[in-house]
This record gives sequence, structure tokens and C-alpha cells, in this order.
Amino acid sequence: GDSVTQMEGPVTLSEEAFLTINCTYTATGYPSLFWYVQYPGEGLQLLLKATKADDKGSNKGFEATYRKETTSFHLEKGSVQVSDSAVYFCALSDRDQFYFGTGTSLTVIP
Amino acid sequence: NAGVTQTPKFQVLKTGQSMTLQCAQDMNHNSMYWYRQDPGMGLRLIYYSASEGTTDKGEVPNGYNVSRLNKREFSLRLESAAPSQTSVYFCASSRASTVHSEAFFGQGTRLTVV
Repeated sequence: GDSVTQMEGPVTLSEEAFLTINCTYTATGYPSLFWYVQYPGEGLQLLLKATKADDKGSNKGFEATYRKETTSFHLEKGSVQVSDSAVYFCALSDRDQFYFGTGTSLTVIP
Repeated sequence: NAGVTQTPKFQVLKTGQSMTLQCAQDMNHNSMYWYRQDPGMGLRLIYYSASEGTTDKGEVPNGYNVSRLNKREFSLRLESAAPSQTSVYFCASSRASTVHSEAFFGQGTRLTVV
């Protein structure tokens, strides 16, 4: 069945450091891929998405590229800020269901 | 611009009590979902509804029932609450049934069963 595996956390970075959170997926069809962010006490918010192979999703300085050959969708940001501290979820959708990774907690320290 | 609205935000139940979590969306979405979020487990699908009038079990349906009341509303019922159902519950909706639609989430209901 479909599934998503993402990098275990927690991740702690200094402000302005480079961020990578790894995500790989297994899917039988041609899924869309997503990154969601969750701030404390809130629901998940869409951060970015990609709907086909080689698409790059980007938002607020975050980027991820849909790599069909490596079944990956790694999240990157060149310079993190304290306000990026949150939990990040990789997800895929296939037909009418969504599959989520277990989440990666990021803490950015000044 | 309400999006997905869940009520209540917090609830404490005693073991054996029942309750219904309410969810409504104003985006005219076809698909709606109920997830639970537990530490280290990510989000697990309880039930979903691909369209008005249909519901299907997800990964962890035991102990829950759902009703798709109309296109806007999708409720989750706990008939006899157990401590193992202590969790944060999220409702979501999606335009679906296309693969390109993202899910929109409510703010969550934090449920404690004592």
C-alpha cells in the first residue's frame, strides 16, 4: 500500500542554518506530494505541493522537488528562522486518500 | 473565510461516556476526513467520506462511528469512550476525488478520557 517515510526528529538548528528534512514515499499510482506545517496548538497548514514528477513546490523560502526516480520529496530551506520552529509533515495523496509521515519536529535557536 | 471548523476545541470525558465531535466546511468540498494524532504516530485516518452519502473505514476505525450529514458536515461519534481514545482529533476536507487537491484541516479537538 501507499506510505510515506520521513526523517526522524527532533531537529535543532541555529538561526540561518540550512535545513533538509528527508521524505520518501511508496505509491502504486501517480500521487501528488505535499509538505504540511503544524505550529503548537494548531491544525496542519499546507506549506507546498507538487503534482507530478520533476515539479518543484516552493513557499516562504521552503522548496521540495518531486523525484520519481528516487521516490523522494525532501524539504529544504537555505536559512531558517526562529519562526520556522514547528512540526513538518510529508504527505501524499492517491485518489481520495491522504497518507502522512510521522512528522519531524524542528526547533530553531537564535 | 472559516474553512474547516471543529467543535469543541477541548473535551474531558469519563470512561464509558459518549460524545460527538462536529466538523463543518464551507469550501464546497466533496471529501472529508477524520484523523487522530498521537505522539510519534503522525496522523492516522479513522474514517473518511469521499462524497455526500458515503463513508469508509480508515486505518483505526474501532470505537468510532461517523455521519456525513450533508455536503458540509461530517461528525465523529465515540459511543463508549476509552482512555486509549485520548488524542487530538482533526477533521479535514478536500476537493478530491482528484489527486491534485490538498487537504484543509480544522484546528483540532483535544480529547482526554479519564
